[in-house]
Parts: sequence; structure tokens; C-alpha cells
Amino acid sequence: GAGVSQSPRYKVAKRGQDVALRCDPISGHVSLFWYQQALGQGPEFLTYFQNEAQLDKSGLPSDRFFAERPEGSVSTLKIQRTQQEDSAVYLCAGTRTVSTGELFFGEGSRLTVL
Amino acid sequence: LAKTTQPISMDSYEGQEVNITCSHNNIATNDYITWYQQFPSQGPRFIIQGYKTKVTNEVASLFIPADRKSSTLSLPRVSLSDTAVYYCLVGDSGAAGNKLTFGGGTRVLVKP
Repeated sequence: GAGVSQSPRYKVAKRGQDVALRCDPISGHVSLFWYQQALGQGPEFLTYFQNEAQLDKSGLPSDRFFAERPEGSVSTLKIQRTQQEDSAVYLCAGTRTVSTGELFFGEGSRLTVL
Repeated sequence: LAKTTQPISMDSYEGQEVNITCSHNNIATNDYITWYQQFPSQGPRFIIQGYKTKVTNEVASLFIPADRKSSTLSLPRVSLSDTAVYYCLVGDSGAAGNKLTFGGGTRVLVKP
């Protein structure tokens, strides 16, 4: 596609529910990042994929967070047993090559946990 | 990871030049300096990247002194649509999976 597509754009979940957020990066982008952005804060790194390999997941806040990119293109961020502190915008970004260079971000998925 | 410090907010008026200075005292040899712009409800967008001296593109200029411990993003003749949050990032952009740290950013408000 022309840009990074994320869905859903908005998600409201009840505390304890599981959610899945999808990222469809620009075709051919090797690297894929997930960031979490709380209201009024800058984005914070969650995890990084190079093709289908998850090479860094040091930013995932707990074992309730899980990300995958099984075929090296579309990625899914799953949050199990959501908590109120999980409320944030989840941003996906990709780069053309292995090196970080210029990140191309999607518009994000805004998660609100009630 | 090199830490960056930038002003929390800045106000300006249409047609003026806006300069945002970012401090990064412990920048490493391999680190580049990159600036992103973010509008509400959108993901950050790449503006400019540099290593040393001056870099200019169609939207901004980036000035980096010889010691590279700071950098200044210059936005010429801003318009209302330049109201956004601007992030200064420092990192090795040539490294695979470098987890760039965004910090709090500078909120720029352009007034009519």
C-alpha cells in the first residue's frame, strides 16, 4: 500500500478483555517497530521485527503483551487481560532497510480500557 | 542511548522563523540526529536528519555545531499548519533495529 495502515483506529475494551491491533506496513519494508504513546507523552519503543524475526522485545511492559509478524509483512500486537494503564495509542512504523534510517509511521490505534 | 533535552513548548507567529534547540551531551560517534513532527491523531513524520554541520531540505534546516552536543531545527516562515509537536532523536540510524528514543518533544504553537 501507499502508507502504513493500522486497524482498528479506535478500540474500547473492558478491563480484562483481550485485544488485537493490526499493522500493515509499506510493501517491502524489512523492519517493523511497535511504539506505545500515552497521552501527552512521546512514543515509547515496544518491540522490533526484522522480516519475521522478533529481534528485540525489551520494551514490552509485561507478559500480557505479545507481537508477531509470521510472514514478514503484516504484524499483530496482542494485549491479553487489558488493564486501564494499557490505554494509549499504539503506533506501528517501518523502514525500507535493516538500518533504522527514516521511520514511516501509521496513524496509530487508540486503545481505551474502561 | 543518548538522552536529549528540548524545550517543552514554544509559541510563534505566522511568517516567523522558529528555531528549536536540542541538547544531547552524550551523543556517540555513530549517532545521527533526527527530527520528527507529529500532529494530533497522527503518527510522527520524518522531517530531517543530519550528522554534522548543516543539512537543508525543502521544509527545514538542521544546524549541528562541531562538538555535536546540541542541534537546532530551523523552520522558516512558519504557518498555522506547522503547529505540532517536534521530537529530537539521537541514535545510530545505521544499526539494525535501533530503538530510537523520542522523549517529550517540543510543542510549537503558531499563532495568526
